[in-house]
Amino acid sequence: NAGVTQTPKFHILKIGQSMTLQCTQDMNHNYMYWYRQDPGMGLKLIYYSVGAGITDKGEVPNGYNVSRSTTEDFPLRLELAAPSQTSVYFCASSLGTVRSQPQHFGDGTRLSIL
Amino acid sequence: AQKITQTQPGMFVQEKEAVTLDCTYDTSDQSYGLFWYKQPSSGEMIFLIYQGSYDEQNATEGRYSLNFQKARKSANLVISASQLGDSAMYFCAMREGRETSYDKVIFGPGTSLSVIP
Repeated sequence: NAGVTQTPKFHILKIGQSMTLQCTQDMNHNYMYWYRQDPGMGLKLIYYSVGAGITDKGEVPNGYNVSRSTTEDFPLRLELAAPSQTSVYFCASSLGTVRSQPQHFGDGTRLSIL
Repeated sequence: AQKITQTQPGMFVQEKEAVTLDCTYDTSDQSYGLFWYKQPSSGEMIFLIYQGSYDEQNATEGRYSLNFQKARKSANLVISASQLGDSAMYFCAMREGRETSYDKVIFGPGTSLSVIP
């Protein structure tokens, strides 16, 4: 059981470039989330999804886009990358119908924008 | 406005002693859930304990317990008999649902705990 898988694990991007961070889960979880974690800080919610075709903004959505075409996948798109988007990105999933269920996290993607 | 406050950026505790990590939250929902996660230096997020807003008993999981004071909107994590492996960042998180949006989970800024031999 792989859980939540994020790719890539590391990436360096140039200012103005775009890229997609991939996230897939094999637990049939309906809820999926994207967070960013700046050094020494907590996790900030970027976007989340409660099921295929349904997404909503979190605390810091500017500069990002998401889509959810399947239950398993929840990619995060960075358009026109800026140095302020240098961070560690975590994808998480949970069984939304059971409110006490914790989130399962991926290992994170360390993204540097230079 | 910040919804979850963790006022202790860094804490030290002697091995084998107990430590309390503070968490206060702000929500207008009646139904919500509170989670604590541990993040060691390796970076992974590890779920520790959960407390529901309607739970009458304080949650406990092994050496972890949650001191839930609903009227004060606080959910402090108590770690008993600290071990060297408890040295990590600890995050308080809240799941809330509002009438105009779906449930989402937000995190506090975290507390760095260092266990001293």
